Amino acid sequence: DAGVIQSPRHEVTEMGQEVTLRCKPISGHDYLFWYRQTMMRGLELLIYFNNNVPIDDSGMPEDRFSAKMPNASFSTLKIQPSEPRDSAVYFCASSSNRDFSYEQYFGPGTRLTVT
Amino acid sequence: AQSVTQLDSQVPVFEEAPVELRCNYSSSVSVYLFWYVQYPNQGLQLLLKYLSGSTLVESINGFEAEFNKSQTSFHLRKPSVHISDTAEYFCAVSSMNRDDKIIFGKGTRLHILP
Repeated sequence: DAGVIQSPRHEVTEMGQEVTLRCKPISGHDYLFWYRQTMMRGLELLIYFNNNVPIDDSGMPEDRFSAKMPNASFSTLKIQPSEPRDSAVYFCASSSNRDFSYEQYFGPGTRLTVT
Repeated sequence: AQSVTQLDSQVPVFEEAPVELRCNYSSSVSVYLFWYVQYPNQGLQLLLKYLSGSTLVESINGFEAEFNKSQTSFHLRKPSVHISDTAEYFCAVSSMNRDDKIIFGKGTRLHILP
């Protein structure tokens, strides 16, 4: 398996623009997580899905952030409008309920810079 | 709710010396415990985990961690570090409820000195 795939790997945008981050989880995994990592705040869970349904979005910072999972193989995290304080590395991770290992498999991340 | 405290944000250690990265957790229920490692410019990957059974768990690259319920700790140790161990290490905790999220600590950056 190719692992968790994220695109783009790097994104530079201007304040006010819409940003869409994409994630393809490992095939067969039924949990998908979106995290944000910054030096100041460390690793933060933004939202997670189970079987394409959002379970907990309490970590989503504000209404500018939204996430969708239209099917088992694709998820998006959208920021509209973007602000400089959104600059961070965004990780997607997936896991399976079936193997009982509770291990999360992380993608390589998207480094977002908002100027 | 669970929480995780990693007491050291950075740990410098000489190559071939032993190292211990400290992790304490808080929870009102039984937990699962994890250590993840993040190499530069990469995502996190699982290093080792405690789910049940023996309280001492080992990774394939020489790290080990011991679950200590009375001290609510899960410290990570390695008897002799290598330059390739340079990375950030995250302790994480999850309740045994499958739908509960994993809570990550703030990470400890391990610097290997030549």
